[in-house]
Amino acid sequence: AQTVTQSQPEMSVQEAETVTLSCTYDTSESDYYLFWYKQPPSRQMILVIRQEAYKQQNATENRFSVNFQKAAKSFSLKISDSQLGDAAMYFCAYLAGGTSYGKLTFGQGTILTVHP
Amino acid sequence: GAVVSQHPSRVICKSGTSVKIECRSLDFQATTMFWYRQFPKQSLMLMATSNEGSKATYEQGVEKDKFLINHASLTLSTLTVTSAHPEDSSFYICSATGQLVNYGYTFGSGTRLTVV
Repeated sequence: AQTVTQSQPEMSVQEAETVTLSCTYDTSESDYYLFWYKQPPSRQMILVIRQEAYKQQNATENRFSVNFQKAAKSFSLKISDSQLGDAAMYFCAYLAGGTSYGKLTFGQGTILTVHP
Repeated sequence: GAVVSQHPSRVICKSGTSVKIECRSLDFQATTMFWYRQFPKQSLMLMATSNEGSKATYEQGVEKDKFLINHASLTLSTLTVTSAHPEDSSFYICSATGQLVNYGYTFGSGTRLTVV
């Protein structure tokens, strides 16, 4: 079974600084997708960024970028120029490819605090 | 696009009564919907997967007679907590996918259930 591990229960960053959240996963599949979700205090789950395993290029979305290391099974999220609105719980998630409407496997989550 | 509406957002019920939570996909056909339970500062725990027109698939340890799931149409799935008890108090979240699979599943805004 696939597992996703986020080893940082909590992280903090100063406003305007950069922070990196770690995620590792375990799978025997070669085709899969990885996601980072953000859950702010409202508890609405928001997709931050996604990465297809077959793509070598790291995904970026404005201030958010990932460092995808397929061989190491690592998928970290970098948040640049942190803003107060980035404060949330962040979840790394895995989805096996080739499976129609499969289920996401979530990591334990990392609570990010942004200090003004 | 890809909006999922979940109602109610909060509900308080008496012990022994039943509560129904609705999850609707507003602008796409949700072939598959997922129901999660989340405790404070913890990850999402998948309860069941529901496919339109068929019986839900429950995760190990989830009581199917207590958590009734119905996915009668491509836009609506319901979760009924039957004979609710205080230990059922939690945050419940639905997620839907369909033609947008692999692009990040869309989540409802969640329901906070309090059983008194």
